[in-house]
Amino acid sequence: DAGVTQSPTHLIKTRGQQVTLRCSPISGHKSVSWYQQVLGQGPQFIFQYYEKEERGRGNFPDRFSARQFPNYSSELNVNALLLGDSALYLCASSLEGRVFTEAFFGQGTRLTVV
Amino acid sequence: QKEVEQNSGPLSVPEGAIASLNCTYSDRGSQSFFWYRQYSGKSPELIMSIYSNGDKEDGRFTAQLNKASQYVSLLIRDSQPSDSATYLCASVGSSNTGKLIFGQGTTLQVKP
Repeated sequence: DAGVTQSPTHLIKTRGQQVTLRCSPISGHKSVSWYQQVLGQGPQFIFQYYEKEERGRGNFPDRFSARQFPNYSSELNVNALLLGDSALYLCASSLEGRVFTEAFFGQGTRLTVV
Repeated sequence: QKEVEQNSGPLSVPEGAIASLNCTYSDRGSQSFFWYRQYSGKSPELIMSIYSNGDKEDGRFTAQLNKASQYVSLLIRDSQPSDSATYLCASVGSSNTGKLIFGQGTTLQVKP
């Protein structure tokens, strides 16, 4: 079975630009979460979506937004990019969203803002 | 106080030894705990989950949970150089939503 897939794997953007990151969860999983990981730190929670509804939002500015599609795939959008947005963006897939179950990560998207 | 705390290390052990990785958490209502392994430049890989007090064993890995002390640990027996990685401890808070709260990770170095 395919695991969590993210695209693209690497991305270079200029300050002020906008970026869209994509994630396809494990087949049968209905919950997708997004995390940001900067070098030397653990991942930080950005959003969780379950059954196309936002279930949680972390402490990130409104420049960050996300959505989940009927097939449970998800997109993370970041507007007005800042140098500090450079990080590894991780998507995690889990079976349920109401009661937490194990979460599995995709390979990540490495975003560099210059 | 951070919600989940780990010593960043590096923790260095010789090949074949037991590596002991520790984690404390501040939310007394946390119910679920996870250990992820992350190789340099890669994404986190789930290696253990634990939900009840006590020990849980899976191959060379043993996770230990003590909710009274708000303490989680991971033991790696017969450590191998391939175990060299950063180990991330994560909890789900008392709200039990999909939010994983991670520590900063402990870097383990297993020397041949």
